[in-house]
Amino acid sequence: IAGITQAPTSQILAAGRRMTLRCTQDMRHNAMYWYRQDLGLGLRLIHYSNTAGTTGKGEVPDGYSVSRANTDDFPLTLASAVPSQTSVYFCASSDSSGGVTEAFFGQGTRLTVV
Amino acid sequence: GQNIDQPTEMTATEGAIVQINCTYQTSGFNGLFWYQQHAGEAPTFLSYNVLDGLEEKGRFSSFLSRSKGYSYLLLKELQMKDSASYLCAVTDSNYQLIWGAGTKLIIKP
Repeated sequence: IAGITQAPTSQILAAGRRMTLRCTQDMRHNAMYWYRQDLGLGLRLIHYSNTAGTTGKGEVPDGYSVSRANTDDFPLTLASAVPSQTSVYFCASSDSSGGVTEAFFGQGTRLTVV
Repeated sequence: GQNIDQPTEMTATEGAIVQINCTYQTSGFNGLFWYQQHAGEAPTFLSYNVLDGLEEKGRFSSFLSRSKGYSYLLLKELQMKDSASYLCAVTDSNYQLIWGAGTKLIIKP
């Protein structure tokens, strides 16, 4: 693993099903983020974690949950998927321990809820 | 509310220069980022400005005016591979990134 990895790359999911998007980073970054990207709306923050063991809500958290059991992993769970959750999901990480630094992004998960 | 504005789409010619503007209104300011995103790919970091002025990095330069809530990304000697979306993002007082919707840049030969 080099950098930040997401799985799966794409998924078609039936409405009402539960789904976990996986995200792993090997850069030992303290901060991790989940975004969704929809055409014309840009990146919107779903949930974030500033350090292992803590999480926070972003701009659009409803219908999603996260956990941060360790530094490397930050899974995003859709408890009961709905069509409006069709989007491209990006996981990102940054080393914010020394101040503001750039975020590194995973390759994205394209999710279609039908 | 917090807001980042940038043009939706721009077109330029190969070899030319293009300037992509970004204006912002946020609760606090701890820096402004520019990212490049090719279609179907993840955003990648281009530049970071926290002080007023111009930061130059090869063919790309980024300018910031905090008093005007304004930044621009300048791309010189345009190449076809520069066709991408360019995202402006501001770090607010809570150190959260606020993102613009992105500017799709189309390069024509």
